Amino acid sequence: DAKTTQPTSMDCAEGRAANLPCNHSTISGNEYVYWYRQIHSQGPQYIIHGLKNNETNEMASLIITEDRKSSTLILPHATLRDTAVYYCIVRVATGTGGFKTIFGAGTRLFVKA
Amino acid sequence: DTAVSQTPKYLVTQMGNDKSIKCEQNLGHDTMYWYKQDSKKFLKIMFSYNNKELIINETVPNRFSPKSPDKAHLNLHINSLELGDSAVYFCASSQGLWGGNYGYTFGSGTRLTVV
Repeated sequence: DAKTTQPTSMDCAEGRAANLPCNHSTISGNEYVYWYRQIHSQGPQYIIHGLKNNETNEMASLIITEDRKSSTLILPHATLRDTAVYYCIVRVATGTGGFKTIFGAGTRLFVKA
Repeated sequence: DTAVSQTPKYLVTQMGNDKSIKCEQNLGHDTMYWYKQDSKKFLKIMFSYNNKELIINETVPNRFSPKSPDKAHLNLHINSLELGDSAVYFCASSQGLWGGNYGYTFGSGTRLTVV
């Protein structure tokens, strides 16, 4: 099972900031939070990841709470092309020394004109 | 240049047939994966290879056999196809195990339809 919970869907007006929340209350101290998105009929695309500090790149910003139990992905100026399913991921230990990435249901973001 | 390329993009075949999907990455990554996305849109990992060595096999039926001839290629062969195998199959790669520190790069997917 995925170790994260996200809202099923969200709407955002074009040009406005899209704030996508994620809860990961069982995250371990050294595990990163990753965000991907999947635009219809395409493969998932890596967006950003972080450990405990806020991160920003050309695609988005990631805000992680101080207790690391939740995070928010921010798309500062959403466009219609940002309509996609957004996945928040924390890797799961396999028990044999490895990890695996489990994709949950994600948040379906609709950007509206 | 496409970073992770899969062929074919679409595959329609009859039950009982054997088919292969090919994947190649030109990123110099050392780990490659196969994921399956079913009709409910959940992405599930199937296999992971690191430097041509199998790392993860997620209780996939043994009708599915991955093969990694070198670090840049990971092919998926499926025997005796069943209706339930219909899905989109994604190949991915990463530098480092389990996505490394920079995440996965995914291909555009192969839509398999078994009739």
